[in-house]
Amino acid sequence: NAGVTQTPKFQVLKTGQSMTLQCAQDMNHEYMSWYRQDPGMGLRLIHYSVGAGITDQGEVPNGYNVSRSTTEDFPLRLLSAAPSQTSVYFCASSVGLAGYNEQFFGPGTRLTVL
Amino acid sequence: AQSVTQPDIHITVSEGASLELRCNYSYGATPYLFWYVQSPGQGLQLLLKYFSGDTLVQGIKGFEAEFKRSQSSFNLRKPSVHWSDAAEYFCAVGPLSGGYNKLIFGAGTRLAVHP
Repeated sequence: NAGVTQTPKFQVLKTGQSMTLQCAQDMNHEYMSWYRQDPGMGLRLIHYSVGAGITDQGEVPNGYNVSRSTTEDFPLRLLSAAPSQTSVYFCASSVGLAGYNEQFFGPGTRLTVL
Repeated sequence: AQSVTQPDIHITVSEGASLELRCNYSYGATPYLFWYVQSPGQGLQLLLKYFSGDTLVQGIKGFEAEFKRSQSSFNLRKPSVHWSDAAEYFCAVGPLSGGYNKLIFGAGTRLAVHP
């Protein structure tokens, strides 16, 4: 198993550009989520999904869209990038929906918005 | 509001010394508790977790953590630190019931190990 994969590893955008961060898992996990990591703030939940076709907002959803058309994939879209979205983005998945399930994290995407 | 506090931003220890990383949480009830480790340039890896029962839990890489309900704490310990333990450590809580697997993370503690 490859686990949770993310592409790209690094990305530089200009303000106003759009892009999609890709996330895929091959573990048949129901639950998938996106976090952003900023210095001194830990990880904060952006969006999450409890199954194909079902998504919801987390703590910091503004400026981001998600969709989940398959169990495996959970892309994160930035419609109009802003410097405040400069961050490291992590995708995670877990086999179940409940809070006790271990989450498996991808290697992250480092995004810089100029 | 639910929150997780890791009071120490940076900690430096000598190789072979003992280690304790602090974590306090604010939650309506005892949540699920986790410690994750992030090596440089890597994603997060689960070290250990607490759900119920024995308040001292063992994890991978020789780490353990103790849950103290009276102090709302879940401190991470290791008796003898290795140079490879240099990383950032995150404490996190998950909802006990009525919520999906939405973790709340502390700000992290960055550990440096001197030879």
